[in-house]
Amino acid sequence: GQNIDQPTEMTATEGAIVQINCTYQTSGFNGLFWYQQHAGEAPTFLSYNVLDGLEEKGRFSSFLSRSKGYSYLLLKELQMKDSASYLCAVVDSNYQLIWGAGTKLIIKP
Amino acid sequence: IAGITQAPTSQILAAGRRMTLRCTQDMRHNAMYWYRQDLGLGLRLIHYSNTAGTTGKGEVPDGYSVSRANTDDFPLTLASAVPSQTSVYFCASSESGGTGELFFGEGSRLTVL
Repeated sequence: GQNIDQPTEMTATEGAIVQINCTYQTSGFNGLFWYQQHAGEAPTFLSYNVLDGLEEKGRFSSFLSRSKGYSYLLLKELQMKDSASYLCAVVDSNYQLIWGAGTKLIIKP
Repeated sequence: IAGITQAPTSQILAAGRRMTLRCTQDMRHNAMYWYRQDLGLGLRLIHYSNTAGTTGKGEVPDGYSVSRANTDDFPLTLASAVPSQTSVYFCASSESGGTGELFFGEGSRLTVL
């Protein structure tokens, strides 16, 4: 079967750095997305990785290792508004999105 | 610019009733999707449409139907609602299917009693 694993919940301190991991086992791979979802709101796009390596976009970076079936989202200089769920999703060989259950990130002052 | 509009935002209905969730986009995207989101589970695809006039089944299609008569509209119908269909439903679109970024509507919270 296809599977995406992420931690259920993480806690971090305002101003710090946090890394949210995502491991996947899917039938094929055609890219990996990270989305942010604030409570009661719709998911919004953060990043897309299809090649190995690190993609940096402001305070957020996303890393991919296809050989290890692994990605992480790195958030720097954490702000209270970063409190949200972070969803990892993989595009499989049929170009369908397989979603993880999401990681709820709690930021403390 | 509205993006994707869903209606209703919230609804309570009795089991056995028929319900249609509406979804309209103004981005002229080819692909549209319906997902349900339940606590502790990832987004699960119900139905999708890669282009107007075509639809396909996702991971959890039973009890739901869709139509795509034109590019902009993609309604989701529950023919006879059951309590297990209590969920938050998200409509989404992308310029093309597969690896395109998804744009989501604000969601429809449905409670079936």
